[in-house]
Amino acid sequence: DAGVIQSPRHEVTEMGQEVTLRCKPISGHDYLFWYRQTMMRGLELLIYFNNNVPIDDSGMPEDRFSAKMPNASFSTLKIQPSEPRDSAVYFCASSWSGRAYEQYFGPGTRLTVT
Amino acid sequence: DQQVKQNSPSLSVQEGRISILNCDYTNSMFDYFLWYKKYPAEGPTFLISISSIKDKNEDGRFTVFLNKSAKHLSLHIVPSQPGDSAVYFCAASLYSGAGSYQLTFGKGTKLSVIP
Repeated sequence: DAGVIQSPRHEVTEMGQEVTLRCKPISGHDYLFWYRQTMMRGLELLIYFNNNVPIDDSGMPEDRFSAKMPNASFSTLKIQPSEPRDSAVYFCASSWSGRAYEQYFGPGTRLTVT
Repeated sequence: DQQVKQNSPSLSVQEGRISILNCDYTNSMFDYFLWYKKYPAEGPTFLISISSIKDKNEDGRFTVFLNKSAKHLSLHIVPSQPGDSAVYFCAASLYSGAGSYQLTFGKGTKLSVIP
């Protein structure tokens, strides 16, 4: 039974470059969440989807960040252009509407912007 | 303004003894509380949850207690094992419409179980 899958696990890029993070939720889950973890702010919710539709993106820090969910098994988080302060671990999580509060996390993508 | 606080950044416990991790919250509208465990280089793993209408939930060695009047919850691990060494996050859920629950996380407590 596969959990949430994220790729890449590590990404190092230069300031100004475009970065795309990918997520495959658990099959059958209809909610998908994107989080960012930093030492200063801990785990922060960026955006979440229900049945592939973005519901709340109030946590997205700036217009440089965008997220899409073209189908039930795939989502992307894009940063364009990237900046050093975007360096963090980005987690994707999914849940099932029957117990939506129990979110299951992927292993994360560690992003370093130099 | 932190709505979920874990005031102890770290805790050391001897193997076989009880580990007690604490969490305080400010929003009385939270409806579920959860504990997650996180190992380095991995995502948080769901451990146990409790509804706001309950005061105790038990799952094997893990028990969560909720004191609504004090806005306080705790996670008890008995007996503690070296494999329990990890960072533990407390999280609180708030229904935000459209059938979804947003989670607010504490900053975490690093538990070290000493053999």
